[in-house]
Amino acid sequence: NAGVTQTPKFQVLKTGQSMTLQCAQDMNHEYMSWYRQDPGMGLRLIHYSVGAGITDQGEVPNGYNVSRSTTEDFPLRLLSAAPSQTSVYFCASSYSKVGPGELFFGEGSRLTVL
Amino acid sequence: AQSVAQPEDQVNVAEGNPLTVKCTYSVSGNPYLFWYVQYPNRGLQFLLKYITGDNLVKGSYGFEAEFNKSQTSFHLKKPSALVSDSALYFCAVFTPDSSYKLIFGSGTRLLVRP
Repeated sequence: NAGVTQTPKFQVLKTGQSMTLQCAQDMNHEYMSWYRQDPGMGLRLIHYSVGAGITDQGEVPNGYNVSRSTTEDFPLRLLSAAPSQTSVYFCASSYSKVGPGELFFGEGSRLTVL
Repeated sequence: AQSVAQPEDQVNVAEGNPLTVKCTYSVSGNPYLFWYVQYPNRGLQFLLKYITGDNLVKGSYGFEAEFNKSQTSFHLKKPSALVSDSALYFCAVFTPDSSYKLIFGSGTRLLVRP
């Protein structure tokens, strides 16, 4: 049982490049979400999903896309990277069908945009 | 809009002394409240939650939290701090009518000195 797996753990991009952060969970959780963590700002919700085929925006969705074609996977796409997107990104999932409940977090993906 | 405030960036306490990490919230509706802990270079781990019922909630590693509706607070407490409790602590809030968004505070760093 691997829990929530994020790849890559580290990535350096140039401004304007695109990339996808991968997130997979093997707990059959319906709820999945992406957060970014920045110093002094805590965690901010980017996008979330309550099940396959259903996604919605969080607090800071601009510049990011998501899709949920399967229960297990929830990739986060950066369309055209900007230095302001330098951050640590966390994927999290929950078993609850009525809300986020107790979240299980991945280890994080540290992204630097030059 | 819902929000969470953690008024202290850092809390310092001596080992063996009681600790309190403060959290206040602002929501419309009934709050679901959570505490998470983050150790260096790791994802967040769930500590405890309040949904309904007894205002004093017990969680992992000897931590507890008290829900106070009149003061809109959910302070994290532990009777006797350990050096190993040193970490970053996050309070979070969710309301069932908030479209499944779990919103985090900015975090409080707890430093327990020997």
